Amino acid sequence: SQKIEQNSEALNIQEGKTATLTCNYTNYSPAYLQWYRQDPGRGPVFLLLIRENEKEKRKERLKVTFDTTLKQSLFHITASQPADSATYLCALPGDSGYALNFGKGTSLLVTP
Amino acid sequence: ETGVTQTPRHLVMGMTNKKSLKCEQHLGHNAMYWYKQSAKKPLELMFVYNFKEQTENNSVPSRFSPECPNSSHLFLHLHTLQPEDSALYLCASSPSGSGGITDTQYFGPGTRLTVL
Repeated sequence: SQKIEQNSEALNIQEGKTATLTCNYTNYSPAYLQWYRQDPGRGPVFLLLIRENEKEKRKERLKVTFDTTLKQSLFHITASQPADSATYLCALPGDSGYALNFGKGTSLLVTP
Repeated sequence: ETGVTQTPRHLVMGMTNKKSLKCEQHLGHNAMYWYKQSAKKPLELMFVYNFKEQTENNSVPSRFSPECPNSSHLFLHLHTLQPEDSALYLCASSPSGSGGITDTQYFGPGTRLTVL
C-alpha cells in the first residue's frame, strides 16, 4: 500500500539554524510533491510544489529537494525563526491525480 | 485568509443529533474536498467533488453525507455520530480538479467537532 512517512518526533532547533525535515514515500510514482504548513487549530497552508523532473526548488528561506530514486524529499528552512514553529506536512497526489494524500507531519519548534 | 470559509468553527453534538457543516470558497475553484484530521493521524481524505460531481468517497460511513449544490458550496451532513468521530474537519478547494500540475489545495480553518 502507499505510504508517506515523516519524522513523528518533534524537531527542536535554535533560532538562526537550518531546519531539515524528511518525507519518505513508498509505492508511489508521483508527478509532483507538495509541502504544507499547519498551525495549531488551523487548516494547512501550501508552501511549495516540486515536480518529478526538478531536483531542487527554492522560495525565500525555504528549499525543497526531491530524489525520486531514493523516494525522498527534504524540506529545509534556513536562518530559522520562532515564527517558523509549526507542523509541516508532505503531500503526494492520490490515484485520482489531484486529490492529495498527506503524511502525519513533523512538528518544528524554533527557540530563541 | 485563504478564501475558504467554514462554519461553525466549533460544534458539540450528542450521538442522536443531526447537524451540518458548511464550507464556501470564493476562489472560483472547481474541486472541493472534505478531510478529517484526528490527533496523531494524517489528514484523511473523505470526499471529493469535481464540477459538483462526487468523484471520490473513501469508504466513509454513511452517517457522513456530503452535498455540493454548486461549485462554491460544500456541506457535510452529520447524523448518529460516534465519539470516535470527534476530530477537526477540514474543507479544501483546488483550481481545476483535473490533475493539473499546479493544482494545489486551499484549506479552510476547519470545524472542531466533539461528539458526546
